[in-house]
Amino acid sequence: DVVMTQSPLSLPVTVGQSASISCRSSHSLVDRDDNTHLTWFHQRPGQSPRRLIYKVSVRDSGVPDRFGGSGSGTDFTLKISRVEAEDVGLYYCMQGTHWPWTFGQGTRVDIK
Amino acid sequence: VQLVQSGAEVKKPGSSVKVSCKASRDTFRNYVVSWVRHVPGEGLQWMGQIIPAFRTTEYAQRFQDRVKFTADKSTNTAYMELSSLTSDDTAVYYCARQVGAVAGTLDYWGQGTLVTVSS
Repeated sequence: DVVMTQSPLSLPVTVGQSASISCRSSHSLVDRDDNTHLTWFHQRPGQSPRRLIYKVSVRDSGVPDRFGGSGSGTDFTLKISRVEAEDVGLYYCMQGTHWPWTFGQGTRVDIK
Repeated sequence: VQLVQSGAEVKKPGSSVKVSCKASRDTFRNYVVSWVRHVPGEGLQWMGQIIPAFRTTEYAQRFQDRVKFTADKSTNTAYMELSSLTSDDTAVYYCARQVGAVAGTLDYWGQGTLVTVSS
């Protein structure tokens, strides 16, 4: 199985500052059609995961442009610029290129 | 897009559980449904998928011997049945709409169903 490794696992941030989460995969996530199926989710306590970004950098409708995804191959980053209080919770990356699809361990973001 | 799951369950070790996921007709006709679980302390685990229109399934190897996905097209409801339960199966189980039958992403999730396995 493809192993997804996130860092850091815990990220205390100050409101208004930026935050970055790294996600590394054990195999390249480029598929035979040259698409890279790397997705980022945000999960607030007591809620289901909500998709933020797919195909590395495509932001979902309604997701603030403070959220940005980047990377290629095996190395990916989610950046949150100007963190707001509502951004707290768990962030997961997921690869959807190789079966079985796998998730990172999750990064907990909270406010200092 | 709505995926509405059945309520929480408490099960004995060795028994089975069946969780339902009611979707829209569009989801049932045109998409794949994935099942994912969130085990406390272990993160998210993709269990597999079902294409409701064709009732074809794929299971992650770790669950292959114990899980069964089914779909009822008359009610637009997908089901996940997990057997031979142990305390390690205590988790929140989610259905999610999958975009892409082989490679892709999950765009919408159900609200989750807590399954507790305890004697």
